Amino acid sequence: SQTIHQWPATLVQPVGSPLSLECTVEGTSNPNLYWYRQAAGRGLQLLFYSVGIGQISSEVPQNLSASRPQDRQFILSSKKLLLSDSGFYLCAWSHQRAKNIQYFGAGTRLSVL
Amino acid sequence: AQKITQTQPGMFVQEKEAVTLDCTYDTSDQSYGLFWYKQPSSGEMIFLIYQGSYDEQNATEGRYSLNFQKARKSANLVISASQLGDSAMYFCAMREGPSGGSNYKLTFGKGTLLTVNP
Repeated sequence: SQTIHQWPATLVQPVGSPLSLECTVEGTSNPNLYWYRQAAGRGLQLLFYSVGIGQISSEVPQNLSASRPQDRQFILSSKKLLLSDSGFYLCAWSHQRAKNIQYFGAGTRLSVL
Repeated sequence: AQKITQTQPGMFVQEKEAVTLDCTYDTSDQSYGLFWYKQPSSGEMIFLIYQGSYDEQNATEGRYSLNFQKARKSANLVISASQLGDSAMYFCAMREGPSGGSNYKLTFGKGTLLTVNP
């Protein structure tokens, strides 16, 4: 069966520091991968998605970037965090060319102070 | 206009009773998909049920069923025999465009917080 791992679970970072969140999927190959952000009490906002290695699509221009160095690895990064980057970050995957049912990781709670 | 509207910020239900969570959507596409996710306090988003726009029957998954009314553009989630563990945020989401197509984006509503009382 497929599983998705996301770490760290919680992160507290100072303003201006770099960020790296990692997500890996097991049990499937060539998945679509997604990064979402959820502000407190809000729905999910799609940040990036990827349909293959090195292929990244950005939904919202901002202080963040994403990379997919391997088929089942998706990384969310920032060079300098802003206060507004605080939130709950979720990674998800879906099968290629299917209903696009997305399966989520456990999420990372990021607090920028 | 919002693409997904969940008008109930919070709902309460007694254990063992059924509850309906409302979701309306807005799209001009003929082919689309509708999803419900559950988010417990731990934060993980759990997929519950899927309905395709061309599916003739309402989707069911165990105690979850989706009341799909295409003309009204509504996709309400019905949870039967509520359990204490059903207390969570519930999100409705939509994929516009055909299944297997190039649109990978899901648009989420703002969610409904369900509380199941013993």
